[in-house]
Amino acid sequence: GENVEQHPSTLSVQEGDSAVIKCTYSDSASNYFPWYKQELGKRPQLIIDIRSNVGEKKDQRIAVTLNKTAKHFSLHITETQPEDSAVYFCAASTGNQFYFGTGTSLTVIP
Amino acid sequence: DTEVTQTPKHLVMGMTNKKSLKCEQHMGHRAMYWYKQKAKKPPELMFVYSYEKLSINESVPSRFSPECPNSSLLNLHLHALQPEDSALYLCASSQEYRASGELFFGEGSRLTVL
Repeated sequence: GENVEQHPSTLSVQEGDSAVIKCTYSDSASNYFPWYKQELGKRPQLIIDIRSNVGEKKDQRIAVTLNKTAKHFSLHITETQPEDSAVYFCAASTGNQFYFGTGTSLTVIP
Repeated sequence: DTEVTQTPKHLVMGMTNKKSLKCEQHMGHRAMYWYKQKAKKPPELMFVYSYEKLSINESVPSRFSPECPNSSLLNLHLHALQPEDSALYLCASSQEYRASGELFFGEGSRLTVL
């Protein structure tokens, strides 16, 4: 089955700096790549997603890039704010099931 | 209504108890899921229901028994659990089961097994 690796496991940035989280996947049939944010004690919520026919997608301060050849995708958060502090999970799907990465705990230091 | 509602929010049970977790959505979604999540770990898929039929059972022990009474409701019946089953149990739904659309998660039921 699919194997999704996520790095780093923890990330601390100063408020206003950028944060980048990277994921790799193993199954070339994966075609959908969502990112979920989970604040402490809260539910995971979708923040952005990308499909395999697109290389990049942006939504305000958040962007995701996909490199199908290298089988990796990344989450970019610019101008980080304290409310961005959370655990972020990437996922990959072939259409049968979501495979989640191990998560990145992001701390934004005011 | 874009919410998935789970009850109870917290549950403490002994290893001989029988309890149930409940999940409800009114978004017209045809796929519903149970996930188990340990602290700081990703959600682990347990069961998927598509059009009220069990589509996936990820080799979950029989002490967990899912039930989908109708398209809006999903239950997880618990019996003879072990302390290692203590976790956050998340229900989720999606429009269709094709694993290519947004999963809407509930807030979860935090289970402690004594």
